[in-house]
Amino acid sequence: DAGVTQSPTHLIKTRGQQVTLRCSPISGHKSVSWYQQVLGQGPQFIFQYYEKEERGRGNFPDRFSARQFPNYSSELNVNALLLGDSALYLCASSLNRAGAYEQYFGPGTRLTVT
Amino acid sequence: AQKVTQAQTEISVVEKEDVTLDCVYETRDTTYYLFWYKQPPSGELVFLIRRNSFDEQNEISGRYSWNFQKSTSSFNFTITASQVVDSAVYFCALSEWNTDKLIFGTGTRLQVFP
Repeated sequence: DAGVTQSPTHLIKTRGQQVTLRCSPISGHKSVSWYQQVLGQGPQFIFQYYEKEERGRGNFPDRFSARQFPNYSSELNVNALLLGDSALYLCASSLNRAGAYEQYFGPGTRLTVT
Repeated sequence: AQKVTQAQTEISVVEKEDVTLDCVYETRDTTYYLFWYKQPPSGELVFLIRRNSFDEQNEISGRYSWNFQKSTSSFNFTITASQVVDSAVYFCALSEWNTDKLIFGTGTRLQVFP
């Protein structure tokens, strides 16, 4: 079975631009979470979506938004990019929304803002 | 507040040595889950283990073993007879019972030299 997939792999944007990152969960997984990992640090939680509804949000500004589609895939949008948004963006999926389920991560999208 | 501390920033060992990675957590929840992930240079987080707060039994999987002690709020990870392929950054993480939100430590970089 295919794992979590993310696109694109790499992305270079300019300050002030907008970016959309995509994630497809493992088949059968209904929960998708997004994380930001700045170089040298652990991943930081951005959003969780379950059954197309936002179930959790981390301490990120409103420039960050996301949505989940009927097929459970998800998009993360970041507006008005700042240099500090440069990071590895990771998507994780799990069967359900509770901590009792393992979360499996995709390979990530490396975003560079210049 | 919830917090995960991995005090060891970097560990270097020679192949075949045993190595223990420390993880200390803080939470007020009585039900919670602890995780370990491996992040090789490729960047993808690889799930290693999930443990719930009611199960303090140690677990062994091949060369990997985990020691969970609620009394000291620790969830340590030992690699026996380390190999070069074990070189990676290892993250310990914590989640509440009703959410997928993972709180990660800052990670421990393990370098295994031949």
